[in-house]
Amino acid sequence: GAVVSQHPSRVICKSGTSVKIECRSLDFQATTMFWYRQFPKKSLMLMATSNEGSKATYEQGVEKDKFLINHASLTLSTLTVTSAHPEDSSFYICSARWDRVYEQYFGPGTRLTVT
Amino acid sequence: GESVGLHLPTLSVQEGDNSIINCAYSNSASDYFIWYKQESGKGPQFIIDIRSNMDKRQGQRVTVLLNKTVKHLSLQIAATQPGDSAVYFCAETRAAGNKLTFGGGTRVLVKP
Repeated sequence: GAVVSQHPSRVICKSGTSVKIECRSLDFQATTMFWYRQFPKKSLMLMATSNEGSKATYEQGVEKDKFLINHASLTLSTLTVTSAHPEDSSFYICSARWDRVYEQYFGPGTRLTVT
Repeated sequence: GESVGLHLPTLSVQEGDNSIINCAYSNSASDYFIWYKQESGKGPQFIIDIRSNMDKRQGQRVTVLLNKTVKHLSLQIAATQPGDSAVYFCAETRAAGNKLTFGGGTRVLVKP
C-alpha cells in the first residue's frame, strides 16, 4: 500500500512554455502533499506544502506565481511550472501523507528539461 | 573509506562488509527521524524510522541509532550487497503533520 505516482516521468519543453506535473496517491487519501526539487548530487529541497482544498504554503525563495500548485482532491496534486526557463530544469519529486501522521510516501520523480 | 568534497560524501564498502552512514541533525526539537534510500533517477524509498523516545531500532539488515545528546543519527547496514549502492538521506521532523528536513546525503558504493 501507500503508493504515489507521478506523471510524466520525463518531460522536455521549450523555454517560455508551461508544463504540468501530476502527483497521485493511488491507494490512500492524501490530505497533504509536498513538492520537492532536487539538483544533481544534491539533497531534496522542499518547495511547497499543499493541503487539499486550500492554498499551498511555499517555502522562502520559491516563487508561487512561477510554480503553481493545485490540490483539488484527496488523491491528486499538480505542479505547473509556468514560463519555464533552462534554470528550471531539475528533478521534481512529490510526497503524500494522510492527516497528522509522520510518514510521507514519495513519488518516483519527474525529470524536467527546458531547452 | 569516506570522502567529502564538492560532490556528495561517498562511502566505499566491500560487498559483505557492514556500512555505517552518519547524519548530524539540526533541530533539537525534532522528534521523528527517517532514513531514505534513493537510487539514480528514482524517488526516495523509506528504509527505517525512529522516534525520539528510542535510541535504537532494528529492521531487516538495517539498524538506526539515535543520539539526542549530540544530535546524531546513524544507519548501519549489515552484510552490504551490490543492491545497497545508492544515495542515503536522513530526514527529521518536529511533530506529526510537519514537514521533513533532509540532510545532505551520502553515496554508498559497494565494491564486488
